[in-house]
Amino acid sequence: TQLLEQSPQFLSIQEGENLTVYCNSSSVFSSLQWYRQEPGEGPVLLVTVVTGGEVKKLKRLTFQFGDARKDSSLHITAAQPGDTGLYLCAGAGSSNTGKLIFGQGTTLQVKP
Amino acid sequence: EAGVVQSPRYKIIEKKQPVAFWCNPISGHNTLYWYLQNLGQGPELLIRYENEEAVDDSQLPKDRFSAERLKGVDSTLKIQPAELGDSAVYLCASSLGQGEQFFGPGTRLTVL
Repeated sequence: TQLLEQSPQFLSIQEGENLTVYCNSSSVFSSLQWYRQEPGEGPVLLVTVVTGGEVKKLKRLTFQFGDARKDSSLHITAAQPGDTGLYLCAGAGSSNTGKLIFGQGTTLQVKP
Repeated sequence: EAGVVQSPRYKIIEKKQPVAFWCNPISGHNTLYWYLQNLGQGPELLIRYENEEAVDDSQLPKDRFSAERLKGVDSTLKIQPAELGDSAVYLCASSLGQGEQFFGPGTRLTVL
């Protein structure tokens, strides 16, 4: 059974601080996705990483896929209150079925 | 273009009562997913449809849950009878083949 462990589960920081969220597994994934979910809404895709070692940047967000494609990280620089939400990583297996395994999520609160 | 539409947005029922959720995917999306999401957790796949065929229902508790997608467009998820532990958010997502999944806002179910 493929599992994704996210850490930390909760993070409360002040505006302007930096943070990193980790997503780890003992399984290899063909790709890994990061989502952000706001209260009362469904998850929205932020990025997909496919190649081991890949780094993608989205404004103040930096996503990295581990060399072995078993782990990933999300780094936010100078966090803002608008970054508040639930961050989810999701891994796709090699069977190309579209099935995603989600981590348990990291709840981020950025205080002004 | 309209996103994934779900109704109702909220539902409160007493245990042992039946409940049904409806999902209208993005036009043209042949793949439809139903997920269950507990508070502060990641979504867990219940069932995946390709057109009208349920291709993965291994995580659907079939003693009380059922789903249908008769014409390969909109879908209904039913619980009968509901239990206290079924309180959660039920998310519907759709995609074109195995592409990016787009999520609806979810139905928040409370079982009293």
